[in-house]
Amino acid sequence: GQSLEQPSEVTAVEGAIVQINCTYQTSGFYGLSWYQQHDGGAPTFLSYNGLDGLEETGRFSSFLSRSDSYGYLLLQELQMKDSASYFCAVRDPGGAGSYQLTFGKGTKLSVIP
Amino acid sequence: KAGVTQTPRYLIKTRGQQVTLSCSPISGHRSVSWYQQTPGQGLQFLFEYFSETQRNKGNFPGRFSGRQFSNSRSEMNVSTLELGDSALYLCASSISGNGNEQFFGPGTRLTVL
Repeated sequence: GQSLEQPSEVTAVEGAIVQINCTYQTSGFYGLSWYQQHDGGAPTFLSYNGLDGLEETGRFSSFLSRSDSYGYLLLQELQMKDSASYFCAVRDPGGAGSYQLTFGKGTKLSVIP
Repeated sequence: KAGVTQTPRYLIKTRGQQVTLSCSPISGHRSVSWYQQTPGQGLQFLFEYFSETQRNKGNFPGRFSGRQFSNSRSEMNVSTLELGDSALYLCASSISGNGNEQFFGPGTRLTVL
């Protein structure tokens, strides 16, 4: 089966940089994704890494090292609105070419003034 | 384009009852996945439908079932409700189910008393 580990909570100051780590154990690897979920809201897609290296999307970057079974999400220039839960997820192959997502338990980020 | 919609948004049931939740995917999306989210277990995959066929199923008892209609709308049913079924039920749609991004609906908050 698949399992993912990420810190349960992180607190950071507005304007700072924060890194949320994710380690995974999988029987096969088909990519690591990150989702953001505000309290009471729906998870929204942030980024995907299929290969090693850094993917950058505005203030958010995501990194993957397949040899270390490790990835992280980097949030720069933190804003109060970034306070949310962040989930890493691995793609699990299903039937007929489909993929399901197996999620970590999530990291609750609190941004303080 | 309208996002994923789920109805109802909130539901209260008693043990032993059954419940049906509905999900309308983004127009043009043919894959619909269902997830259960609880504080203890996080986001867990229930099943995925594509072109009215269940392609993938998570590790949930047979009380959890679903179906998909020809217009890609999907329903999930939980029979003989238990207290532990109280959760946020999220559906997510994607074009084909093998891409990198899933689009989540706002969820149905089910409370079992």
